[in-house]
Amino acid sequence: DSGVTQTPKHLITATGQRVTLRCSPRSGDLSVYWYQQSLDQGLQFLIQYYNGEERAKGNILERFSAQQFPDLHSELNLSSLELGDSALYFCASSVGTVGEQYFGPGTRLTVT
Amino acid sequence: QQQVKQSPQSLIVQKGGISIINCAYENTAFDYFPWYQQFPGKGPALLIAIRPDVSEKKEGRFTISFNKSAKQFSLHIMDSQPGDSATYFCAASSAGSGNTGKLIFGQGTTLQVKP
Repeated sequence: DSGVTQTPKHLITATGQRVTLRCSPRSGDLSVYWYQQSLDQGLQFLIQYYNGEERAKGNILERFSAQQFPDLHSELNLSSLELGDSALYFCASSVGTVGEQYFGPGTRLTVT
Repeated sequence: QQQVKQSPQSLIVQKGGISIINCAYENTAFDYFPWYQQFPGKGPALLIAIRPDVSEKKEGRFTISFNKSAKQFSLHIMDSQPGDSATYFCAASSAGSGNTGKLIFGQGTTLQVKP
């Protein structure tokens, strides 16, 4: 158990809908990262927050957004969902802006 | 230039053998190279990591070898066990680029250790 928690574990929704994925980092970690894992694209970095502020942005679609709250938990919002958004979404956390990252168990999103 | 290329895609090893997975990168700004182990239905778990100032790091049965001039690094699993059967990912990051730890992952290697 990495200490990173993610909810929900599974999510099934229809195209065009909007969902929110939640992540709580390990105690003491200030950075939260979001990654998408799919069969064709592998593990792709989406976005990083550090202590409430956006730190880095990767291949994140405009339909996706994220934020980190004062209690350091983070939410990833996915809107206007398409079939191709079906994937595993992982959250990771680290103490600082760089260094060892510990991954949560992931949220499996299925868009039908 | 941001890519990390990993090989082989899959690997079958006998119990007790040595498993070797290789990764290559282009971006010389990368300064942190972790390996992750992922079991089906689980998140990636940090296994071992290395920085460019050392050529080798060993933790138990797991060893990272790092060749800075060749821009390559590899994971060696000694005395491979059936419980090591999983997917392994190499990754790299560059703290200097905006002081971010974002990881660039290799494509993954599925390891099967036969009893």
